[in-house]
Amino acid sequence: DSGVTQTPKHLITATGQRVTLRCSPRSGDLSVYWYQQSLDQGLQFLIQYYNGEERAKGNILERFSAQQFPDLHSELNLSSLELGDSALYFCASSVQSRTGGGGYTFGSGTRLTVV
Amino acid sequence: DAKTTQPPSMDCAEGRAANLPCNHSTISGNEYVYWYRQIHSQGPQYIIHGLKNNETNEMASLIITEDRKSSTLILPHATLRDTAVYYCIVRVNTGKLIFGQGTTLQVKP
Repeated sequence: DSGVTQTPKHLITATGQRVTLRCSPRSGDLSVYWYQQSLDQGLQFLIQYYNGEERAKGNILERFSAQQFPDLHSELNLSSLELGDSALYFCASSVQSRTGGGGYTFGSGTRLTVV
Repeated sequence: DAKTTQPPSMDCAEGRAANLPCNHSTISGNEYVYWYRQIHSQGPQYIIHGLKNNETNEMASLIITEDRKSSTLILPHATLRDTAVYYCIVRVNTGKLIFGQGTTLQVKP
C-alpha cells in the first residue's frame, strides 16, 4: 500500500457518459498529479494541483476536468467519453515544497473501459 | 524539461548487476535525474534521484557523469521481481514528471 488511494479500481461505462475518478493523497502531501496511460501513448501527464490550486497542465482534453478539495483529495472528471479514453488513470502525490521535492508516490490506478 | 534517451530493452541474468543507461545531454544545472519503474500495470514506483553526486539507497545506485549529460542506474543483484519498465526523467525539483518510453528490463533465470 503506497498510501495513495484511488477509487474505483475498475470502471466500465458507455460512450457519451461521464465518470468521476477519486484520489486521496498520502498523508501530509499537498500536491496531486493525474496521469493517463493508454497502450499506445505511455504515461501522459494531465494536470497538477497544489494545496487546492491548479499548478500545471499537460495534455488534458477540454472534456476532462479536475479539482482538489480542502481536505486535499482530488477528483478527475471525464465527460462525453469516447472509446479512446479507455486507459489506466493514475494519481500521484508529493510533498512538493518550493525548496525541495523528492519523488512522487503513485496510486494503483483506475482502469477505465469505455464500451 | 530536458529530454532523455534510453535503450528500449535490456536483458540481465538473475543475481547479476543490471546497469541501465540514460542520456540527457540537454540537462540544465537545476534539473534533477529521477528514476522510476513500472511493474506490469501497477503504479510507477520511485527508485532514486540525484543532482550531481552519485546516490545510493536500499534499492539502487545512481551514477551521474561529471558533465551530467548521462547517468546509469545500477541494480546490484537483479531478481526476477526487478523485471519492469524503467524510466529515466529529468526535471526541475519542484516540477512535473514527464515520462518517456523507458527501458524494458527483462531479468532471466
